[in-house]
Amino acid sequence: EDQVTQSPEALRLQEGESSSLNCSYTVSGLRGLFWYRQDPGKGPEFLFTLYSAGEEKEKERLKATLTKKESFLHITAPKPEDSATYLCAVQARTGTASKLTFGTGTRLQVTL
Amino acid sequence: ETGVTQSPTHLIKTRGQQVTLRCSSQSGHNTVSWYQQALGQGPQFIFQYYREEENGRGNFPPRFSGLQFPNYSSELNVNALELDDSALYLCASGGTAEGSYTFGSGTRLTVV
Repeated sequence: EDQVTQSPEALRLQEGESSSLNCSYTVSGLRGLFWYRQDPGKGPEFLFTLYSAGEEKEKERLKATLTKKESFLHITAPKPEDSATYLCAVQARTGTASKLTFGTGTRLQVTL
Repeated sequence: ETGVTQSPTHLIKTRGQQVTLRCSSQSGHNTVSWYQQALGQGPQFIFQYYREEENGRGNFPPRFSGLQFPNYSSELNVNALELDDSALYLCASGGTAEGSYTFGSGTRLTVV
C-alpha cells in the first residue's frame, strides 16, 4: 500500500528564516510526486510535480527536490503570506490513474 | 480561479439523511476524482470517473456513489449519513500538461 509521511507536523518560522519540509514515501512504482499548498477552508493549490530522482523545481521562494525515498520542500526567506499547510502526495504507476495518496501535511506559520 | 467549481460551500445534514454534492470541472478534462478530507488530515481518495464511468475506488463503502455527465460536471452522493462523514469534500479535475490535478475549494459537510 502506498504511504506518505510528512515531517514536521507543524513548523513556526520567523520571516526570512529558511527551512525545509520533508516527505517520505513508499509506492509501488512512482509515476509522480506532488506538492500542494492548502489555506484553511480551501482546496489544495498545485505547486510542483516531480517525476524522477534528482529532479528539482523552483517557484519564487520554494524549491522541491526528489530522491528515491523522499522529497524536500525548501523555503528560502519565507514571508508571512507563505503560511499554509503544505501537502505532499504520490501517484503510483499501477492502479487507478489519477489516485493521489496524500500525507497529513506540514502546517507552516511564518511570523514577522 | 481554479476552473473547478463546487457547490454548495457548506452543508449541514442529519445522521441517516442523504446528500448530493456537485462539481463543475474544466472543459476538456474527462477525468474527475473525489476526495474526503477530515479535519487535520490529508485528502483521501474516494473514487475516479473517466468518460462517465467509475474506474477506480478507494476504501469507501458503496453508500458513497457518483455520477459524471457529458458536460464534465460530476456529483458525489452519500447515503445513510454517519457522524464520521463530516469532512471537507474535494473534487479534482485531472490531466493537465504539467501533470497536475486542479482541486475545487470543496464542500464542508457537517453531519449532526
